[in-house]
Amino acid sequence: GESVGLHLPTLSVQEGDNSIINCAYSNSASDYFIWYKQESGKGPQFIIDIRSNMDKRQGQRVTVLLNKTVKHLSLQIAATQPGDSAVYFCAEKSTDSWGKFQFGAGTQVVVTP
Amino acid sequence: EAQVTQNPRYLITVTGKKLTVTCSQNMNHEYMSWYRQDPGLGLRQIYYSMNVEVTDKGDVPEGYKVSRKEKRNFPLILESPSPNQTSLYFCASSFGRGNEKLFFGSGTQLSVL
Repeated sequence: GESVGLHLPTLSVQEGDNSIINCAYSNSASDYFIWYKQESGKGPQFIIDIRSNMDKRQGQRVTVLLNKTVKHLSLQIAATQPGDSAVYFCAEKSTDSWGKFQFGAGTQVVVTP
Repeated sequence: EAQVTQNPRYLITVTGKKLTVTCSQNMNHEYMSWYRQDPGLGLRQIYYSMNVEVTDKGDVPEGYKVSRKEKRNFPLILESPSPNQTSLYFCASSFGRGNEKLFFGSGTQLSVL
């Protein structure tokens, strides 16, 4: 998994399997989190977001889980497809510095056939 | 189509030659922001703007200027570029407080020789 501001790990997953990407954050005042997908040569694309008053949120094939106790965020991708190959990163915003987002370095997801 | 448009897509320049990277959004967003992305690092915020004529420094503002004279435009200005400003730059926008989902442009790859 990744921590906000550190190295870029790689997750290799077989097509059809589920992927889990992790993100740790340190600011207990963070109240809003977003997951982005970035394909090579493109800008980040919004995947899903969650506020701190929720533990789980689901989208199409994606689920975000938030554990505020241990300051951990995860993105689950169901039935991973080749088109899911990309860098995924999380972003957090805190209540004490509105307007400033902190981004993780990202996790490279490689989908193998 | 709702989008954030950055220009140019690629730019090669020399040390000290002033340049401007433009950013425009057509979604009537109040909030706009500039980021730089370097290998192995997360997106780092340069400057942001909550509304017209309101700008604030992000985490890495040194060597950059911005202006927000109109709601839709948020240019990034490098008065005297240096090689350490070689990077991939992204502009992003959102509706603002209460609806912070960021929309990103396609990026500007800048090389300063």
